Amino acid sequence: DIQMTQSPSSLSASVGDRVTITCRASQSISSYLNWYQQKPGKAPKLLISAASSLQSGVPSRFSGRGSGTDFTLTISSLQPEDLATYYCQQSYSTPWTFGLGTKVEIK
Amino acid sequence: QVQLQESGPGLVKPSETLSLTCTVSGDSISSYYWSWIRQPPGKGLEWIGYIYYSGSTNYNPSLKSRVTISIDTSKTQFSLKVSSVTAADTAVYYCARERFDIVTGQPAFDYWGQGTLVTVSS
Repeated sequence: DIQMTQSPSSLSASVGDRVTITCRASQSISSYLNWYQQKPGKAPKLLISAASSLQSGVPSRFSGRGSGTDFTLTISSLQPEDLATYYCQQSYSTPWTFGLGTKVEIK
Repeated sequence: QVQLQESGPGLVKPSETLSLTCTVSGDSISSYYWSWIRQPPGKGLEWIGYIYYSGSTNYNPSLKSRVTISIDTSKTQFSLKVSSVTAADTAVYYCARERFDIVTGQPAFDYWGQGTLVTVSS
């Protein structure tokens, strides 16, 4: 199985801050990397697919980049509604696997 | 708008079989892969397996011996069975649609059900 390692596991930032979350795969996965946002008590929501493709309706302050084994999700200007846990997921080979998540809190 | 809704018992006894159904509305169940994903309380996400509308399946090896996913296209439903459950199977279970990006061809879960908590306890 491909292991996905996210860092940090949690962070606290102020409104307007730039926030970056890192995801590392245990082997090369090309750009087969998706990012999800899960708000408390809700199902995950797809934010970015194929490492950098922003989904329709997702604010442009979210962006993703990377390929191979190293990926990042960036929130350019943190907003109160971005309080959530963010997960990366590889779609290179089954079993599909997720990172353990990064919990984003607002200071 | 595509909607997915999980249904099934919220409490299952140890050693018994967990059974859940996901009802899909707002789009055809054909031409997509349909997955089950679970999340133990306070923990991360684990992919259980998927089924294609044709009936072909792919399971996570960690659960393969205990899992069966089936589909009923006439009812636009797909189902999950997990046998011989233990407390470790306590989780919120999600059903989700897997679509392939038109440009990149890469898969991602684009629609999810709200999730249903299944507790394994006597």
